[in-house]
Amino acid sequence: EAGVAQSPRYKIIEKRQSVAFWCNPISGHATLYWYQQILGQGPKLLIQFQNNGVVDDSQLPKDRFSAERLKGVDSTLKIQPAKLEDSAVYLCASSLRAGLAGVTNTGELFFGEGSRLTVL
Amino acid sequence: SQQGEEDPQALSIQEGGNATMNCSYKTSINNLQWYRQNSGRGLVHLILIRSNEREKHSGRLRVTLDTSKKSSSLLITASRAADTASYFCATDAIVGGFKTIFGAGTRLFVKA
Repeated sequence: EAGVAQSPRYKIIEKRQSVAFWCNPISGHATLYWYQQILGQGPKLLIQFQNNGVVDDSQLPKDRFSAERLKGVDSTLKIQPAKLEDSAVYLCASSLRAGLAGVTNTGELFFGEGSRLTVL
Repeated sequence: SQQGEEDPQALSIQEGGNATMNCSYKTSINNLQWYRQNSGRGLVHLILIRSNEREKHSGRLRVTLDTSKKSSSLLITASRAADTASYFCATDAIVGGFKTIFGAGTRLFVKA
């Protein structure tokens, strides 16, 4: 079974530039998450999708960050314009959780390898 | 804000020893999970314990959950150098739906 795919793995940009990260979750996983992990800290949830709808985006800085999940499959996270403090690893995760009858809601998240962003 | 807080922040032990990490959280939960992260990699799920469970085992891992104290512990027995990693607890709060919130993590270093 293929895991969660993310790209690019590394990105270096100047402040005020824009960047986009892509995530392809595990096939059949209804829920997709974007986390931001600053060096030395735990992952911070930015946005959570259930299929193609947003479940929670309370910690997404909406003045500069945007995310979409077209057709309920892969997702893109964009930052525009980037700030120095956006330097972090952006982790995508997916889970089976869907609340559908017959689907086991284990709660386990499967993570990609992350996209490391450096803003200069 | 982070739901779980791990303790200690960092832990160094000799190979073969046992490592215990603790996690405290603030609100009522559906379940609590532990994840491991090797340097520069994504997180890997280790074990999940539901709110109605008190203890769970998986290989060299033992997890306990005390919902009255809102705390959990992860014990790794017979530690190996390969266990060197960061360990995070994550909680699914009852309020707010299935939102998985991570703590700050414990950095474990196992000396060969």
